[in-house]
Amino acid sequence: QVQLVQSGAEVKKPGSSVKVSCKASGGTFSSYAISWVRQAPGQGLEWMGGIIPIFGTANYAQKFQGRVTITADESTSTAYMELSSLRSEDTAVYYCARGGASRWGDESYYYYMDVWGKGTTVTVSS
Amino acid sequence: DIVMTQSPDSLAVSLGERATINCKSSQSVLYSSNNKNYLAWYQQKPGQPPKLLIYWASTRESGVPDRFSGSGSGTDFTLTISSLQAEDVAVYYCQQYYSTRFTFGPGTKVDIK
Repeated sequence: QVQLVQSGAEVKKPGSSVKVSCKASGGTFSSYAISWVRQAPGQGLEWMGGIIPIFGTANYAQKFQGRVTITADESTSTAYMELSSLRSEDTAVYYCARGGASRWGDESYYYYMDVWGKGTTVTVSS
Repeated sequence: DIVMTQSPDSLAVSLGERATINCKSSQSVLYSSNNKNYLAWYQQKPGQPPKLLIYWASTRESGVPDRFSGSGSGTDFTLTISSLQAEDVAVYYCQQYYSTRFTFGPGTKVDIK
């Protein structure tokens, strides 16, 4: 049974960057999609982007385009999410989640997310 | 982006009674080539990550109690808890995966009356 293990909590200064990791254990990694979803305190879920490791290309929400970079290392079954130019509004719990994936021609398709990490708290404060 | 809305924002239901949550998408999430609705439902309890309940709008995830059911097609969807249990107190989110840029509804909080 696959599990997603995320890196520990981070405290960052405004303007800096944070990189959160998500390691898959106990199952296949490369042929699934890994998405990143964040949740600000008391707020709802917000999808940031995702990657299908076997295909390599990432897909980002418009809101985070240019500020977020999602990568994956197939050799260690680990996905990463780096968010730059941090501001106080980026204080949130960041989740990684595994979902189904497929590809038709040049198009990649992402499906529902069935396995979630426990979340990484990122606090942005001066 | 596809905008997801949910109603109500919150509801309180007596134990054993039915709870109904509605979800609406700003455009159809029904893929005509395979006749599947690209819509999922998640349950989130305080301090926990979301848990997948329903996918393809009406397919229950393995291990999810059969009191949870999903219905609807196109732009209008419903999550029904047929007989509310104490452990069902949570926030419920719908999510579309029709677009590769996923979007979630704002969530519906379910409590015991």
